[in-house]
Amino acid sequence: GNSVTQMEGPVTLSEEAFLTINCTYTATGYPSLFWYVQYPGEGLQLLLKATKADDKGSNKGFEATYRKETTSFHLEKGSVQVSDSAVYFCALNNAGNMLTFGGGTRLMVKP
Amino acid sequence: NAGVTQTPKFRVLKTGQSMTLLCAQDMNHEYMYWYRQDPGMGLRLIHYSVGEGTTAKGEVPDGYNVSRLKKQNFLLGLESAAPSQTSVYFCASSPTQETQYFGPGTRLLVL
Repeated sequence: GNSVTQMEGPVTLSEEAFLTINCTYTATGYPSLFWYVQYPGEGLQLLLKATKADDKGSNKGFEATYRKETTSFHLEKGSVQVSDSAVYFCALNNAGNMLTFGGGTRLMVKP
Repeated sequence: NAGVTQTPKFRVLKTGQSMTLLCAQDMNHEYMYWYRQDPGMGLRLIHYSVGEGTTAKGEVPDGYNVSRLKKQNFLLGLESAAPSQTSVYFCASSPTQETQYFGPGTRLLVL
């Protein structure tokens, strides 16, 4: 079946630090991959996505590259801000009706 | 354009009571979903719908029922609430089977 594994948090960084949140997946075929972000007290919002191997999704300074050879979709940002503090979810859709989510990684950015 | 709205925002139930959570979307999306979010477990799909009048089971459907009588509404029912159903419930809608748009969530406490 499909599964998504994320690094456990919380991840605590100082403002302007470099961010990496690891995500690996297990799926047959060629899934689409997503990063969603959940700010405190809110629902999830789509941050970025990639639909085929070697695609790079990007938004708001965040990037992730679909690496089929390593079954990974790591999230990166060059310089985090306090406002990036949130929970980040990696997810996949494998040609079906459902998204499969990872467990989420909480990011805390200190001024 | 309100997007996805959920009613109520917060509810406390006693074991054995029943309730219905309402999800409404004004984006004319075909697909709608109900998830529960528990600490460290990401989001798990309860039920979903691929169109008006249709419903299907997700990953954790036991103890829940759903109905999609109108395209814009997706109702989640708990017939006899149990403490294990204490969670945050999120509704989502989608125009395709990929990018999903989430509501703000309903926090449910079952005593």
